[in-house]
Amino acid sequence: GEDVEQSLFLSVREGDSSVINCTYTDSSSTYLYWYKQEPGAGLQLLTYIFSNMDMKQDQRLTVLLNKKDKHLSLRIADTQTGDSAIYFCAENGDYKLSFGAGTTVTVRA
Amino acid sequence: ETGVTQTPRHLVMGMTNKKSLKCEQHLGHNAMYWYKQSAKKPLELMFVYSLEERVENNSVPSRFSPECPNSSHLFLHLHTLQPEDSALYLCASSQDWGGATDTQYFGPGTRLTVL
Repeated sequence: GEDVEQSLFLSVREGDSSVINCTYTDSSSTYLYWYKQEPGAGLQLLTYIFSNMDMKQDQRLTVLLNKKDKHLSLRIADTQTGDSAIYFCAENGDYKLSFGAGTTVTVRA
Repeated sequence: ETGVTQTPRHLVMGMTNKKSLKCEQHLGHNAMYWYKQSAKKPLELMFVYSLEERVENNSVPSRFSPECPNSSHLFLHLHTLQPEDSALYLCASSQDWGGATDTQYFGPGTRLTVL
């Protein structure tokens, strides 16, 4: 957790875009991940990006990677109430995944 | 549905009980993991098994005992737990361990409450 940092909370209006930010420390990470956890559920893999890419788009999700600054972001377009959840950033360095503490996203009407 | 199932989904036990958590993956993966998720704390990796051999044990107390009888099944045997062990226990699997194909897929978790 201490190698990956995220802001803890984000509130967004339905229909707006959400941007969740993450910073990491391990420059040898091969992949960086975004997971979503809904209440009472496990972690759902949302998307991942290979470390030699700058951007990856998958429907409403856009991942941006700034490898120089070790900064990763997840943008959710047209945020819906079903997007309310905790979002975890993770990096795979040193033979294991290191997770951030999670960003709780609340979507308000 | 991620292809990783866990049972039971909820478990309440006393400190003197012995119970086991079960995880099964239907993905043909070679590596399996146990994580502990406590409130307000990041996920803690507990154990990693690769090809049925334990490859990581992150200073987990001996009251937690993992078992991996084959590459599809992983157990976590619990005995003499403490109230602070109450948490969500998550199982995950990946194609391999420590390589480029180690993207992890998680089960729904077992919510454990120790009284």
